[in-house]
Amino acid sequence: DAKTTQPNSMESNEEEPVHLPCNHSTISGTDYIHWYRQLPSQGPEYVIHGLTSNVNNRMASLAIAEDRKSSTLILHRATLRDAAVYYCILRDYVPNAGKSTFGDGTTLTVKP
Amino acid sequence: DAMVIQNPRYQVTQFGKPVTLSCSQTLNHNVMYWYQQKSSQAPKLLFHYYDKDFNNEADTPDNFQSRRPNTSFCFLDIRSPGLGDAAMYLCATSEEGGVSYGYTFGSGTRLTVV
Repeated sequence: DAKTTQPNSMESNEEEPVHLPCNHSTISGTDYIHWYRQLPSQGPEYVIHGLTSNVNNRMASLAIAEDRKSSTLILHRATLRDAAVYYCILRDYVPNAGKSTFGDGTTLTVKP
Repeated sequence: DAMVIQNPRYQVTQFGKPVTLSCSQTLNHNVMYWYQQKSSQAPKLLFHYYDKDFNNEADTPDNFQSRRPNTSFCFLDIRSPGLGDAAMYLCATSEEGGVSYGYTFGSGTRLTVV
C-alpha cells in the first residue's frame, strides 16, 4: 500500500482556519485521497475525498497538488469540536483492493 | 439512519477465554473490515470480507478469526485472548471498493483482557 506522511500534531485557535498537510509521494494513478477524523473513544469519521481536483463539502475542503504527491485538508473555521486525530489515507479503486493503511495521523488541538 | 453498529461497546474477558465481537450494518455495503486499534496508535487492518470472500492480512495472528454469515453481520472471534490483545476493535464497511464513499466505521468495542 502507498504510504502517507503527516505531522504528528498541530495547534489552532478557535475560529481560525486550519491547514492539515499530507504527503503521499508514492501515490498511484488509481489512488483516491481520503481524509478521516477520530474523536476520542469513537470510530473514525469520513471527512472528504478526492482524486485530482479540489473538493469542498460541508465539513472541509481538500486541496490536491497538481502532481498529486501531497494534499491539504482545510478546516475553514476551527471549533473546539474539531479537536481530533486526522488521518489521510489512499484508497485504490481496483475492486477488492479498496483497503488502506492508516498512518499515524495528525492530532489537532484547538485552543479557545 | 443507516449505520454500523458494534456490540458490545465494552467487553471484558479473561485471559485465554474465547470472545466474540459483533458488527451489524444497515447500509447493505458489500465490504466489511475489522481493525484493531491500540492506545495512541492508528487503526491496523486485521482482515476484510469482499462479499463472502475472506481476505486476511499477512501479519494477522491466527488467534483472530472472522465470520460473515450474511451481508449485514460480521463477527470477530479471538480464540485465546492475551493481554496484548487489549484494544479497541473497529468494524467498518464500504461499498464495492469503497472508493467513492469511503469507510463507514462503527463506534468500536473496547476489549479488556484480565
